[in-house]
Amino acid sequence: GIQVEQSPPDLILQEGANSTLRCNFSDSVNNLQWFHQNPWGQLINLFYIPSGTKQNGRLSATTVATERYSLLYISSSQTTDSGVYFCAVRTSGTYKYIFGTGTRLKVLA
Amino acid sequence: DAGVIQSPRHEVTEMGQEVTLRCKPISGHNSLFWYRQTMMRGLELLIYFNNNVPIDDSGMPEDRFSAKMPNASFSTLKIQPSEPRDSAVYFCASTFRGDPDNEQFFGPGTRLTVL
Repeated sequence: GIQVEQSPPDLILQEGANSTLRCNFSDSVNNLQWFHQNPWGQLINLFYIPSGTKQNGRLSATTVATERYSLLYISSSQTTDSGVYFCAVRTSGTYKYIFGTGTRLKVLA
Repeated sequence: DAGVIQSPRHEVTEMGQEVTLRCKPISGHNSLFWYRQTMMRGLELLIYFNNNVPIDDSGMPEDRFSAKMPNASFSTLKIQPSEPRDSAVYFCASTFRGDPDNEQFFGPGTRLTVL
């Protein structure tokens, strides 16, 4: 099956810093989503981005489907950005999203 | 809207017991997903319903697991008999229009511990 790898596995930032999280996948995908799981366990969908670039406030994401990767950019990080960021991909012929192992982000005040 | 509601939030049970997890999706959403999250396996989709019908249950680990959606506002995930390796956080999510690519709204999860 498709493999989804995220890097780095862990990241510690000072408040105000910028960061880039990466998601690599081993096969062609129909769709890709980014999720944030906060320290209390709540999962929130950030972006649905099978290709191209999207922005939402301080967050933006870019997916280059032909090269099988996606990037999540966090600018001017805040302590509330802490948590785990997951990318998840869906291949054709299935409804199932396969999740990566996540990047655990900690933003220090 | 109250969002996706899951109950119980925490469940501790002994091996061999039956466990039933409950989910109420957001009103108007017609698709529902059950996920399981563990340290070893990460987040996995167990089953996906559209209009109360199971569409993809390939993620259900074994016959001990069953899921139902008797109506648009309620779903259950049952484990019988439960085993310690079933310990995990179980999430329910719902979305609109039956498209798995639409934004999925997650419930707070049920943390299950099987002793």
